Amino acid sequence: DVKVTQSSRYLVKRTGEKVFLECVQDMDHENMFWYRQDPGLGLRLIYFSYDVKMKEKGDIPEGYSVSREKKERFSLILESASTNQTSMYLCASSSVVNTEAFFGQGTRLTVV
Amino acid sequence: DQQVKQNSPSLSVQEGRISILNCDYTNSMFDYFLWYKKYPAEGPTFLISISSIKDKNEDGRFTVFLNKSAKHLSLHIVPSQPGDSAVYFCAASRSNFNKFYFGSGTKLNVKP
Repeated sequence: DVKVTQSSRYLVKRTGEKVFLECVQDMDHENMFWYRQDPGLGLRLIYFSYDVKMKEKGDIPEGYSVSREKKERFSLILESASTNQTSMYLCASSSVVNTEAFFGQGTRLTVV
Repeated sequence: DQQVKQNSPSLSVQEGRISILNCDYTNSMFDYFLWYKKYPAEGPTFLISISSIKDKNEDGRFTVFLNKSAKHLSLHIVPSQPGDSAVYFCAASRSNFNKFYFGSGTKLNVKP
């Protein structure tokens, strides 16, 4: 059974903290993605990576960075968390273009 | 500016009837389209896809229709079941691009 696993289901962090969200996939996929989901806005792409150490900005990269040191792991970093980063964060992976992406279970992050 | 739009935030249908969820896109370069289903506190799961070389794809109770000239796709669920109650997202991508663009979602409620 294919799997994308996010390290936390729920997180509560304070404003200004550095936050790490971890994602691991076991499907040997080249592509990995970080989205955030907000009511009425759907899923918005933050960053994606198409290979180890390669990354590209998505539609809303401000305030975020990413790291992909190994093929199976893709980390999202909030350099200095702010309350407007309170959201559901979803990691996904896919093999090649024009195939479906597989999602993790999501991390509900609350910044207080 | 959203390139994929789902203009109905919610839809309510009686069990056994047909559910029709709609999606519009603006980028004529999109050539691959997907539907995802999402339950609360879970990640989206892939449902069905269609390539732009087709105008219909069927999988059990789920059928996706693509009208390229109108830049419109729809998902038909027949017959609808209470377990189909979830948020449905449509997504689109371009050949040789790794990005998926998602709509804002439609919450389907199937009443017993």
